Amino acid sequence: GDSVTQMEGPVTLSEEAFLTINCTYTATGYPSLFWYVQYPGEGLQLLLKATKADDKGSNKGFEATYRKETTSFHLEKGSVQVSDSAVYFCALRTYNTDKLIFGTGTRLQVFP
Amino acid sequence: NAGVTQTPKFQVLKTGQSMTLQCAQDMNHEYMSWYRQDPGMGLRLIHYSVGAGITDQGEVPNGYNVSRSTTEDFPLRLLSAAPSQTSVYFCASSHEAGTGANVLTFGAGSRLTVL
Repeated sequence: GDSVTQMEGPVTLSEEAFLTINCTYTATGYPSLFWYVQYPGEGLQLLLKATKADDKGSNKGFEATYRKETTSFHLEKGSVQVSDSAVYFCALRTYNTDKLIFGTGTRLQVFP
Repeated sequence: NAGVTQTPKFQVLKTGQSMTLQCAQDMNHEYMSWYRQDPGMGLRLIHYSVGAGITDQGEVPNGYNVSRSTTEDFPLRLLSAAPSQTSVYFCASSHEAGTGANVLTFGAGSRLTVL
């Protein structure tokens, strides 16, 4: 079945460091791909999305490119801030189902 | 603009008790769903609905019932709570069903502890 695999955390960085969180997927259809973020004590909210191969989603300095050849959607940010500390979830949703499938989440901790 | 509202935020139950987690959205969304979040397991889909009167099972439906009598409401019922149902529950909705690309809007979550 469809699945998402993302790197385990926690990822610990100093402020202004470069961030990469890896995400790969398995899907039988043509999925849309998402990154959601969960700040402490809150629900999930959309960070960015891409709906077809080679699309790049971007928001708040974060970027991810839909790579069909490597079935990946890695999240990157050039310079993280303390306020980026949160749990990040990679997810996919295929057109032939209505289910959003999540990875296990990666906790990011940014220190000043 | 309330979005997705979940109640209660916190609940403690004893094994065998029943309860209902409420979810309401005011965005006229067709699609609604319930997830549970457990450490190291991410979010797992319990049940979902693509419209009023239509529900279906997700990955982990056992021990939970749902109904969708109106577009706005999607309650999750625990008929006989078990300690394994201790978790944080999230309700989420999106505008259309079956397109794949629509973004889910999440509620703030309901933390349930079963003793």
